Amino acid sequence: GESVGLHLPTLSVQEGDNSIINCAYSNSASDYFIWYKQESGKGPQFIIDIRSNMDKRQGQRVTVLLNKTVKHLSLQIAATQPGDSAVYFCAEKLLGNQFYFGTGTSLTVIP
Amino acid sequence: NAGVMQNPRHLVRRRGQEARLRCSPMKGHSHVYWYRQLPEEGLKFMVYLQKENIIDESGMPKERFSAEFPKEGPSILRIQQVVRGDSAAYFCASSPRSKQETQYFGPGTRLLVL
Repeated sequence: GESVGLHLPTLSVQEGDNSIINCAYSNSASDYFIWYKQESGKGPQFIIDIRSNMDKRQGQRVTVLLNKTVKHLSLQIAATQPGDSAVYFCAEKLLGNQFYFGTGTSLTVIP
Repeated sequence: NAGVMQNPRHLVRRRGQEARLRCSPMKGHSHVYWYRQLPEEGLKFMVYLQKENIIDESGMPKERFSAEFPKEGPSILRIQQVVRGDSAAYFCASSPRSKQETQYFGPGTRLLVL
């Protein structure tokens, strides 16, 4: 499944499938990006980050892709599990240490 | 290692009362950030503090809101004369001096103004 940031804030995928969550960022000068996972009633949890001098970064079951040309960021989750159900936010670093968070995409994993 | 601690987790206030939200950063972290989150929205930056200094308060409302991070003790976000529109989840994050960009979030305080 695939979502496009603000225009499709929910995404449902079957357990075991791959998930792709997209995010459009606003500032071409942003040089650092983070994906956070937020479960209901909890604070955001760091998943993976990427700097603007990179196009791709891989973690455990997650991959972040950065396309600076179109100011687009995506998070790929391999073999999605029920525990992945949450809201996912991308955050871009603006001036100083201030981050701008997107609205988020709600991911639901169907067992 | 204990993570970022926030208390109370839930706070109910009547209009006109004061709300005090506390945040204890992770051990060794000297940078604290406060964010506000409305239902089904992203987090909005409010203020960035170091010990005894406000570094960036560009996201703080001009009136009724204040924040501090004293030399000893937790960071405090204070909202005076609360109104219903202040109802939200308030999250604190902290980062170490060595890697200021990586912010670790607390569980948040859910403020409800009646």
